[in-house]
Amino acid sequence: EAQVTQNPRYLITVTGKKLTVTCSQNMNHEYMSWYRQDPGLGLRQIYYSMNVEVTDKGDVPEGYKVSRKEKRNFPLILESPSPNQTSLYFCAIVGQAYSGNTIYFGEGSWLTVV
Amino acid sequence: AQSVTQLGSHVSVSEGALVLLRCNYSSSVPPYLFWYVQYPNQGLQLLLKYTSAATLVKGINGFEAEFKKSETSFHLTKPSAHMSDAAEYFCVLSYSSASKIIFGSGTRLSIRP
Repeated sequence: EAQVTQNPRYLITVTGKKLTVTCSQNMNHEYMSWYRQDPGLGLRQIYYSMNVEVTDKGDVPEGYKVSRKEKRNFPLILESPSPNQTSLYFCAIVGQAYSGNTIYFGEGSWLTVV
Repeated sequence: AQSVTQLGSHVSVSEGALVLLRCNYSSSVPPYLFWYVQYPNQGLQLLLKYTSAATLVKGINGFEAEFKKSETSFHLTKPSAHMSDAAEYFCVLSYSSASKIIFGSGTRLSIRP
């Protein structure tokens, strides 16, 4: 069964304390992406990765970093979180053509920065 | 450039009435189109998808959508609304050489008793 696992699911942290939200997949797909969802703004892309060691900025990359050292993992790093990064975060994987290009989402990570 | 437009940020229907959520797309390459549903405080669940096979796509919970290339539309319908259908619905576009997933802005569906 296709799985996208995000951790932590819920986190309250303080301004400036570095944190990492992990995303892992069990499907061996190449394309992974991070989104944030905010009321009235929909889902906005933060970063995406086409393959190992290939990452690129999305629409709202400021304040975030990512890495793709292995195919299954795509962590989102907040080096110095600020309150405006309080949001709901989703990791998404786009399957290859043989899987119908289905998009798989993680369950979401609710992050609060105080 | 690819884009997705969902008409109506909020749709309200009576229980038992037809549900119609509108989605129009723009794409210079053959698109893959999806509808996802998000219940309050939950993640995104796939309702149905169009990936260039049948143009009428049936999904879960009685929903279906029809891909109309001439109208560049992929509207979501359900013949009879149920209270449990209250949620936010997203129309999403991708394509075979995907470097991005394009989200619609979402439509919040409310069901009146």
